[in-house]
Amino acid sequence: AQKITQTQPGMFVQEKEAVTLDCTYDTSDPSYGLFWYKQPSSGEMIFLIYQGSYDQQNATEGRYSLNFQKARKSANLVISASQLGDSAMYFCAIMGDSSYKLIFGSGTRLLVRP
Amino acid sequence: DVKVTQSSRYLVKRTGEKVFLECVQDMDHENMFWYRQDPGLGLRLIYFSYDVKMKEKGDIPEGYSVSREKKERFSLILESASTNQTSMYLCASSRLGDRAEGAFFGQGTRLTVV
Repeated sequence: AQKITQTQPGMFVQEKEAVTLDCTYDTSDPSYGLFWYKQPSSGEMIFLIYQGSYDQQNATEGRYSLNFQKARKSANLVISASQLGDSAMYFCAIMGDSSYKLIFGSGTRLLVRP
Repeated sequence: DVKVTQSSRYLVKRTGEKVFLECVQDMDHENMFWYRQDPGLGLRLIYFSYDVKMKEKGDIPEGYSVSREKKERFSLILESASTNQTSMYLCASSRLGDRAEGAFFGQGTRLTVV
């Protein structure tokens, strides 16, 4: 079974600052993938970044990077140079190779202040 | 443009009614998912399918069933709707064996049971 824990229900960040959203996970699968999604107020789910459990390097996509610490079972999302449009809900998710179920955490609401 | 389409954006049903939520994807994906999203609880997996006529229970299957007769279509069925099933329902699909692509989501169906 897989589980995702996001302990920050809400966060504030000043525009142009960097912010880290926390995600810890639990899985019995030796091989798995970790995902971050963004959900703006419009409700659409936007795929941001992916990290494979055997990837040697931390994933990066533009202003998004994933701080993957396998021994700690954490996969924190770092957003650099925050923009007002980054205000949204952010969800961390995991998919293991044993079942291919995609399991989400409870999310973090990020508000970017001008 | 890849698409996951849910049949309704908003639905209002009466307690005890049988409710069908339809989801169609045009990407030839093997995996399809149904989630419900509630404030503070994130996305919770109801059912998952990895092939036609195959289904697996997610974390909260009680009160729901699913049908996958064709690869592109995954239906969620509320046999006898209750007020505690009032929620946002999200359908998603993903390619088997290619996790890095992530899952693609529909626009969501906001169901109100009165």
